[in-house]
Amino acid sequence: QVQLQESGPGLVKPSQTLSLTCTLSGGSISSGSFYWSWIRQPAGKGLEWIGHIYTSGSTNYNHSLKNRVTISVDTSKNQFSLKLSSVTAADTATYYCARATATKMSVFDIWGQGTMVTVSS
Amino acid sequence: DIQMTQSPSSLSAVVGDRVNISCRASQSINTYVNWYQQTPGTAPKVLIYAATSLQSGVPSRFSGSGSGTDFTLTITSLQPEDFATYYCQQSYVTPRTFGQGTKVEIK
Repeated sequence: QVQLQESGPGLVKPSQTLSLTCTLSGGSISSGSFYWSWIRQPAGKGLEWIGHIYTSGSTNYNHSLKNRVTISVDTSKNQFSLKLSSVTAADTATYYCARATATKMSVFDIWGQGTMVTVSS
Repeated sequence: DIQMTQSPSSLSAVVGDRVNISCRASQSINTYVNWYQQTPGTAPKVLIYAATSLQSGVPSRFSGSGSGTDFTLTITSLQPEDFATYYCQQSYVTPRTFGQGTKVEIK
């Protein structure tokens, strides 16, 4: 079955760039119509959509992150990635990758297990 | 951005109870609402999409209703595995936004 798995450093220093990768198994990232998404959740708090990349490569980001976000895809590795620059303690959270259906009634139907990232010196 | 406001923030219930969780959008979003369940240490899991459609594999005791700005997730006959946090989410526009969550606890 289709599965997603996040990977990347669990600790990032303030002002540096957070980099995470999500690997898709059981399917091809370049087939179908999906939004490959990143969502985060600070400990004990709610969910925040970071952005997504469409199968075609077009991107859409949450403006609240003020141009610090880049999402890219590597079809040869069946992966998509998140880069968040100039991080602060406020970026400490569990980061999830997820697949959203690119239909009118889009839904996050598959999620990775999440990876915890701490921003600290 | 569209704000999604859930009520209550938490509730206590016993096995067998009927539970209703409300979600209100800050503007009309037709039926572009999804509901998720999250248990501690795990990723959210979709229960309901497009306000009323049951995701494949989800028990039929879960149901959704509403349109416009007001939506409800109903759990009939609460089961032990249903004690969790529930989130609504709008897919009407980007940025996608979630409610703050409703924690269903054991009374």
